[in-house]
Amino acid sequence: ELKVEQNPLFLSMQEGKNYTIYCNYSTTSDRLYWYRQDPGKSLESLFVLLSNGAVKQEGRLMASLDTKARLSTLHITAAVHDLSATYFCAVYMDSNYQLIWGAGTKLIIKP
Amino acid sequence: NAGVTQTPKFRILKIGQSMTLQCAQDMNHNYMYWYRQDPGMGLKLIYYSVGAGITDKGEVPNGYNVSRSTTEDFPLRLELAAPSQTSVYFCASSYLLSGAINEKLFFGSGTQLSVL
Repeated sequence: ELKVEQNPLFLSMQEGKNYTIYCNYSTTSDRLYWYRQDPGKSLESLFVLLSNGAVKQEGRLMASLDTKARLSTLHITAAVHDLSATYFCAVYMDSNYQLIWGAGTKLIIKP
Repeated sequence: NAGVTQTPKFRILKIGQSMTLQCAQDMNHNYMYWYRQDPGMGLKLIYYSVGAGITDKGEVPNGYNVSRSTTEDFPLRLELAAPSQTSVYFCASSYLLSGAINEKLFFGSGTQLSVL
């Protein structure tokens, strides 16, 4: 059974700082997704990572995938308040065509 | 540009009551999904549909039923509500099946359901 663990589950940080959210998964997969959710809103797709070594960047967010280590990271550079949200990773499971989701990381960025 | 619309946003049920959570999308997506999210947990797939008239069970289907009579609508029915069904429910849709190359899910804003 594929398990997906995110850490930390909660993160409070100051604007301007850098930080990394980690997503570990337990069995082989070569596809990983990052989503963002604002309070009371829908989940929105951020990144799709499709191969070992994949790196995607948009603005102050950069995501990477290491399939050998079964690890993805979401790095936040010089955080701003607008990035406050809950971030989810999801891993594709070939055996039943489903996405297995992490519990989410609630990120609060203080001015 | 509505996207995926879920109703209601909040609901309180008594044990044993039934209700239907509504989900509609206007993007002509063939694939639709229902997830639940319990506190501190990831989303878990309840049911999904690959097109009108076709549905299949996900990871946690017990206590729920779905139907897909049109491409646009994918209602989730709770029969005989139980406290274990207290959760936040998300409907989603996609052009391709989740996991297909570069595919992404479009989510509704969620329904917070409490069963007391």
